[in-house]
Amino acid sequence: AQKVTQAQTEISVVEKEDVTLDCVYETRDTTYYLFWYKQPPSGELVFLIRRNSFDEQNEISGRYSWNFQKSTSSFNFTITASQVVDSAVYFCALSDLDNYGQNFVFGPGTRLSVLP
Amino acid sequence: KAGVTQTPRYLIKTRGQQVTLSCSPISGHRSVSWYQQTPGQGLQFLFEYFSETQRNKGNFPGRFSGRQFSNSRSEMNVSTLELGDSALYLCASSLGTGYYEQYFGPGTRLTVT
Repeated sequence: AQKVTQAQTEISVVEKEDVTLDCVYETRDTTYYLFWYKQPPSGELVFLIRRNSFDEQNEISGRYSWNFQKSTSSFNFTITASQVVDSAVYFCALSDLDNYGQNFVFGPGTRLSVLP
Repeated sequence: KAGVTQTPRYLIKTRGQQVTLSCSPISGHRSVSWYQQTPGQGLQFLFEYFSETQRNKGNFPGRFSGRQFSNSRSEMNVSTLELGDSALYLCASSLGTGYYEQYFGPGTRLTVT
């Protein structure tokens, strides 16, 4: 069965600090996708990144970077030089396919508070 | 492109009533998924529709149902409401079923009293 674990329930950092959000997943499939979403206080989930199981290259987008390691089933997310606007709940998600369609499983989320 | 829209944004219902929530996906998207979000259970998958067919269903009782129309718009219905159904209901659309990223609407906040 699929499972996504985000062990950090809440993290508080001071502005300009770097912060890493952990994500560990479980799946029996060899083909799957991993995602990160951000849910700011307004409530609407915002898509950040999608990564497939065959691409372990790290990705950087501005202050955001992602580290995918299949050997440890982890897909961690780092924010460099955090800002107050980064305060949100961040969800890691896993998607694979079964006979019926897409299975999308979200982790419990990590609440990040960036203090000025 | 307009994003995913959900109506209504807020609803207050009484136990035992039924409710219908509506979702309009991004133009061109054919898959619509529904999620329930609560503080205790987090984001839980309800069901996915693609080309008017339910493709997958989460672990929810039969009181939760949905449908998709030919224009990809979707509705979900909850009958015989219970207090525990109070939640934020999120709709997400994607280009197709599979590994596509999902784009979420603002949600409908349902309160059952």
